[in-house]
Amino acid sequence: DVKVTQSSRYLVKRTGEKVFLECVQDMDHENMFWYRQDPGLGLRLIYFSYDVKMKEKGDIPEGYSVSREKKERFSLILESASTNQTSMYLCASSSESYSNQPQHFGDGTRLSIL
Amino acid sequence: DQQVKQNSPSLSVQEGRISILNCDYTNSMFDYFLWYKKYPAEGPTFLISISSIKDKNEDGRFTVFLNKSAKHLSLHIVPSQPGDSAVYFCAASPNDYKLSFGAGTTVTVRA
Repeated sequence: DVKVTQSSRYLVKRTGEKVFLECVQDMDHENMFWYRQDPGLGLRLIYFSYDVKMKEKGDIPEGYSVSREKKERFSLILESASTNQTSMYLCASSSESYSNQPQHFGDGTRLSIL
Repeated sequence: DQQVKQNSPSLSVQEGRISILNCDYTNSMFDYFLWYKKYPAEGPTFLISISSIKDKNEDGRFTVFLNKSAKHLSLHIVPSQPGDSAVYFCAASPNDYKLSFGAGTTVTVRA
């Protein structure tokens, strides 16, 4: 079974802090994704990576950056956290680029910005 | 603007009966559709998918129907079981990596 692990289940940070969310997958998947889930909006894609050091913006990249230095690890960075970034963050991975493969999700990080 | 819409935020159904979840989309380039199930405090898990070349796909108690002309798909769960109580997300893709998700439908199966 694919395992996608997010480093924290709950995180509380202050406005203006730099925040790191970490995600690790154990299936040697090429693709990794960061989403945020908000009530009434479903899941929205923040960033996508299809290979080490490669990234593409999703639908809502503003205020975020990402890092993929190793194939198994994909980090989401909030450069200067703001209260409107309070949300559930979900990491996912899938095999093969640009093909119809189901994405496998981690259990999420509930981030609160005070 | 959301390209995938699940207009029913919630659905309550008696155990043993059929659950029907609906999803509409606006982007005619979508040609691959998926349903995900999510329990509280867990990530979404893949349930079933359908390609645009088909109009039906079945996996055990779960069947997905696709009506391309109406840009509509539905998920049928027969018979519904208490363990099916969860949030169900519809998602669509234009044959690439990018998935667009609906807002989700919360299903409650009553004993």
